[in-house]
Amino acid sequence: QKEVEQNSGPLSVPEGAIASLNCTYSDRGSQSFFWYRQYSGKSPELIMFIYSNGDKEDGRFTAQLNKASQYVSLLIRDSQPSDSATYLCAVRYSGAGSYQLTFGKGTKLSVIP
Amino acid sequence: DAGVTQSPTHLIKTRGQHVTLRCSPISGHKSVSWYQQVLGQGPQFIFQYYEKEERGRGNFPDRFSARQFPNYSSELNVNALLLGDSALYLCASSVGQGSYEQYFGPGTRLTVT
Repeated sequence: QKEVEQNSGPLSVPEGAIASLNCTYSDRGSQSFFWYRQYSGKSPELIMFIYSNGDKEDGRFTAQLNKASQYVSLLIRDSQPSDSATYLCAVRYSGAGSYQLTFGKGTKLSVIP
Repeated sequence: DAGVTQSPTHLIKTRGQHVTLRCSPISGHKSVSWYQQVLGQGPQFIFQYYEKEERGRGNFPDRFSARQFPNYSSELNVNALLLGDSALYLCASSVGQGSYEQYFGPGTRLTVT
């Protein structure tokens, strides 16, 4: 059973601060990792993906992956009220020709002006 | 460019009925995946289709079926609806089966009464 765990939150940070979102996964065969943002009543939108150990930066977002610890995180620098949303961590295990995503329940982030 | 489109937007059905949900992927995308998102949970993988063939199936009963057409659009069918099938059904498209970028449509909100 492949599981992805996230703290459901809510995580509250003041505007301009760094928001840190964490995710752990159970399957060591997992190969790639994704962060999606979902506003209330909307569908998920891809923020970024990572598949190698270390950090990957894209604008105000940094994804961090540690496969040995089975841990992936997302840092949001200079948080803005518009970043208030639910952040979904997803893991992909490419086995038997399937590329399905396994999602966590999401962490609700609230950025306080 | 048009994004992923889904129809209908909302749907109300009665227990025992069947439902067909439709998805049109982004032009040039050949892979379509279906997910079910229950309120407060992350999306759960149902099916992936690529080049009109099923390439992955999640842990859903046989009441759920899908197909992909020559123009790469897709249908998700659910028979003998249960109250627990009430959810947001999301379609995601990608260029290829293993593409990292997967784009979600707006979803179909299904309510079973």
